[in-house]
Amino acid sequence: GEQVEQRPPHLSVREGDSAVITCTYTDPNSYYFFWYKQEPGASLQLLMKVFSSTEINEGQGFTVLLNKKDKRLSLNLTAAHPGDSAAYFCAVRDNNAGAKLTFGGGTRLTVRP
Amino acid sequence: NAGVIQTPRHKVTGKGQEATLWCEPISGHSAVFWYRQTIVQGLEFLTYFRNQAPIDDSGMPKERFSAQMPNQSHSTLKIQSTQPQDSAVYLCASSYSWDSSYEQYFGPGTRLTVL
Repeated sequence: GEQVEQRPPHLSVREGDSAVITCTYTDPNSYYFFWYKQEPGASLQLLMKVFSSTEINEGQGFTVLLNKKDKRLSLNLTAAHPGDSAAYFCAVRDNNAGAKLTFGGGTRLTVRP
Repeated sequence: NAGVIQTPRHKVTGKGQEATLWCEPISGHSAVFWYRQTIVQGLEFLTYFRNQAPIDDSGMPKERFSAQMPNQSHSTLKIQSTQPQDSAVYLCASSYSWDSSYEQYFGPGTRLTVL
């Protein structure tokens, strides 16, 4: 089955710096990719979904890059601020209707003032 | 929209007791998923319902765990004879459609502690 490796497991950056989290996956049939944010004690908040072969999506303060050729997905938080401190999870899903999400192991990000 | 509702938020059981966890999906959503989150194993898929019908339970432990969705407004996850290794946060998610392109929205989770 699908395996998703997420790196790094822990990341500490200064306020204003960028933070990059990367996931690699194994199943070439994986088709939809998601990033979730989980603040302490809270549930998973959807940040973004991507699915094109190579795509750069920009959200509020972050950029998501998908490279299906390399089976790699990354989240780049630009100019991180303390409110970005949380756990981040990538998740992948193949194109079978209703398929489960397979999650990466998570990255705990700390943004220091 | 209240989002996905899960009750209770916290549950403590003694070893060998039964635990029932409840999930109310977002109104109008036809797919319901259950996941389990632990420090060691991370986020793991348990089971999935489409229009109340069980579709995929490949992640469910074969013994002691069962899930039902008796109507479109709630699903339950039951753990019989709970064991300390069942301690985890159990997350319910719902999706507007079972099509893979649709996002899953997660509830706040139920933290189960088995003493």
